[in-house]
Amino acid sequence: DADVTQTPRNRITKTGKRIMLECSQTKGHDRMYWYRQDPGLGLRLIYYSFDVKDINKGEISDGYSVSRQAQAKFSLSLESAIPNQTALYFCATSESTGTGGNTIYFGEGSWLTVV
Amino acid sequence: GENVEQHPSTLSVQEGDSAVIKCTYSDSASNYFPWYKQELGKGPQLIIDIRSNVGEKKDQRIAVTLNKTAKHFSLHITETQPEDSAVYFCAGLNYGGSQGNLIFGKGTKLSVKP
Repeated sequence: DADVTQTPRNRITKTGKRIMLECSQTKGHDRMYWYRQDPGLGLRLIYYSFDVKDINKGEISDGYSVSRQAQAKFSLSLESAIPNQTALYFCATSESTGTGGNTIYFGEGSWLTVV
Repeated sequence: GENVEQHPSTLSVQEGDSAVIKCTYSDSASNYFPWYKQELGKGPQLIIDIRSNVGEKKDQRIAVTLNKTAKHFSLHITETQPEDSAVYFCAGLNYGGSQGNLIFGKGTKLSVKP
């Protein structure tokens, strides 16, 4: 089984609908992240959480919200999906140390298409 | 904040040749530079990293070099094989707050032709 599991793996939704992407991890890491990947734009950070009570905005948080339900669970929501949110979304985890520079472990991604 | 530029965006090489991908960064305070490989249909995976206290690091056929003065670092893959075909991302650690987050380049799609 994967250490970082994302559900759903693929979803097509309509403009204006609310959609939630879920992530769970078995690595025991405190830090969790949501990234978005678009062709030619690389990986951009949406939100990150360094522990259950710590939620922070990343580079491109507008239009998204997150919830850290437990150490192992971190969900991403699009309250009212729009077509330019069509992308590949990755959940990721890492250990926590004071200096950073820790390996980030990615899930296998969730393809979201907004029509 | 940190900005990471990656070149080229696509690279095609013949099996057995070498491949080089280059990245530049803007924040002189950055001190951690990993490289991730993303195979088709999978999430990125760390393949090698380098910290600013060293100039070069090697792991079998892959190596990374860092030039802090010029603020650039490169990934070198020797004796390329078809399984090296993937998208490669460089990244730099952004000290924007008390704890940094990686800033990724836009990726290089490497194709190794048999």
